[in-house]
Amino acid sequence: DTAVSQTPKYLVTQMGNDKSIKCEQNLGHDTMYWYKQDSKKFLKIMFSYNNKELIINETVPNRFSPKSPDKAHLNLHINSLELGDSAVYFCASSYGTGENTEAFFGQGTRLTVV
Amino acid sequence: KQEVTQIPAALSVPEGENLVLNCSFTDSAIYNLQWFRQDPGKGLTSLLLIQSSQREQTSGRLNASLDKSSGRSTLYIAASQPGDSATYLCAVKGSARQLTFGSGTQLTVLP
Repeated sequence: DTAVSQTPKYLVTQMGNDKSIKCEQNLGHDTMYWYKQDSKKFLKIMFSYNNKELIINETVPNRFSPKSPDKAHLNLHINSLELGDSAVYFCASSYGTGENTEAFFGQGTRLTVV
Repeated sequence: KQEVTQIPAALSVPEGENLVLNCSFTDSAIYNLQWFRQDPGKGLTSLLLIQSSQREQTSGRLNASLDKSSGRSTLYIAASQPGDSATYLCAVKGSARQLTFGSGTQLTVLP
């Protein structure tokens, strides 16, 4: 009974390729996020969607495009991959964005660009 | 801009010891603070959520406190076990409705 699931778990690809990471949550949450964890283990917000609408869009190259077909899914598409995109990408979800909302994270997708 | 700092960066203790992990944040206008655990190659597991109006939360051997005015939180782990070995992350949610993370404390509990 996975709560937040991401696929794939590992992704190795060449520079210049386009790839997608999928995320699904079965918690009934209305808000989903993408975070990036760099080599120094810092987690930084990339995007946030509430009820399929983009509410947070941090300074991320426009090669990264999130897509939310419905409240339970938030996919991340990356065009023209670069070496610096190598990182672990985490999807998360919560119910709302207020004081008592607890965020739940997926297992992460380790992206390696060669 | 919110900044979150966790000290120490790494900690090694013998089994059975009680320990404290520290988290500090620069902007006290937060909605909540959440402690996570991250095991190598795994995702983040939520341990405790403290709302801005609360002072502490407890779950089993874990106790987290929050002092908003001083911008500090501590995670207390009682009677540590080797299975507690992991990286512990502190994250605060501010008015931007997003989590800002610290860099974590890597804990090793020696049998």
